[in-house]
Amino acid sequence: SQQGEEDPQALSIQEGENATMNCSYKTSINNLQWYRQNSGRGLVHLILIRSNEREKHSGRLRVTLDTSKKSSSLLITASRAADTASYFCATDRDNAGNMLTFGGGTRLMVKP
Amino acid sequence: ETGVTQSPTHLIKTRGQQVTLRCSSQSGHNTVSWYQQALGQGPQFIFQYYREEENGRGNFPPRFSGLQFPNYSSELNVNALELDDSALYLCASSLVGSEAFFGQGTRLTVV
Repeated sequence: SQQGEEDPQALSIQEGENATMNCSYKTSINNLQWYRQNSGRGLVHLILIRSNEREKHSGRLRVTLDTSKKSSSLLITASRAADTASYFCATDRDNAGNMLTFGGGTRLMVKP
Repeated sequence: ETGVTQSPTHLIKTRGQQVTLRCSSQSGHNTVSWYQQALGQGPQFIFQYYREEENGRGNFPPRFSGLQFPNYSSELNVNALELDDSALYLCASSLVGSEAFFGQGTRLTVV
């Protein structure tokens, strides 16, 4: 079973708009990671946020984590057509490291 | 490029056959994990190897087995293939406590 659930499942926006994706999970975590996947190929790591962090930035990406609500969000600002991909959140289920539990993903389409 | 390479990129097998998938970890990484991703779904954790020992396992039957070699490369073996084993198989390498780096995957089709 998948711990994380992304919302929405699909998102279509115009280039230049912001895209927000949400992730909820069920159990306590060590960290939460966001990944991108183009056309069913390998996953590209975007950002890792630890359980004691609340917000993290990387370029046009902003990730928040609310452990009390067991939720995270990924914001992509000023989106580009090249951002079109599926985005997954993944939780590290214990402190052993990277036995990741993924959600079902958000399929983002950015229209030029 | 993550430095994690998987082979082959695609293969087709017949139900009941056995398959071996290979993964070369990123240099310096001593942990390798395998995931199965069915079409339209998120990856599912199969198992993880750390220093050549199985370190954790997801909800997969024993016909899914693996190896990690002294150079930290790894194999995933699947026996008695079933149609539902058709999926993208992803390998990820990491250091404990740090982010995982994924290969491009092996697309397995069972007919």
